[in-house]
Amino acid sequence: NAGVTQTPKFQVLKTGQSMTLQCAQDMNHNSMYWYRQDPGMGLRLIYYSASEGTTDKGEVPNGYNVSRLNKREFSLRLESAAPSQTSVYFCASSPWPDRPKAFFGQGTRLTVV
Amino acid sequence: TQLLEQSPQFLSIQEGENLTVYCNSSSVFSSLQWYRQEPGEGPVLLVTVVTGGEVKKLKRLTFQFGDARKDSSLHITAAQPGDTGLYLCAGDFNDYKLSFGAGTTVTVRA
Repeated sequence: NAGVTQTPKFQVLKTGQSMTLQCAQDMNHNSMYWYRQDPGMGLRLIYYSASEGTTDKGEVPNGYNVSRLNKREFSLRLESAAPSQTSVYFCASSPWPDRPKAFFGQGTRLTVV
Repeated sequence: TQLLEQSPQFLSIQEGENLTVYCNSSSVFSSLQWYRQEPGEGPVLLVTVVTGGEVKKLKRLTFQFGDARKDSSLHITAAQPGDTGLYLCAGDFNDYKLSFGAGTTVTVRA
């Protein structure tokens, strides 16, 4: 039962470096999401993909890009990391158009120094 | 600005006590969900409520959706240390996005 798998689990970047967070789900879900979680702020939506071939901005998209590579995979790219992007990043999938119920990965803890 | 306001932010109680967590919004939601998150893990769905006034029970947990579908509560009876975690509510507007509250950190002391 893999569910939603994120890699890496931990990452330290220097300011200005780039990196891609990977996410894959094996539940045949149509929709996938990227959230960031910061203390006291809950989960904020960065980008989402309602279905394969489409992506849309969420609440906090600045500084990020995404790619829905296929139905299974949805990656998040930081082109030029900034300390403000230090956070825990969660990927999620949902069997939309069924009632939205998100299944989350274990998260990537990213520190930008 | 959070679309969903959760209260309280922190809650610490003794084992065996009851607790209630609230989730409020000025918006009407198509559905509202509750998740629990443990340290180092992603949130896990507990329940989805859809109908105004709906009440759902999951063992010692009772979830209620307000009549106007703008608010919800989570009540835990006889809390146990295993109930410790971050409780998050999330709502949707019948589109693809889920909006989350900031969460309530619950600590149950043995």
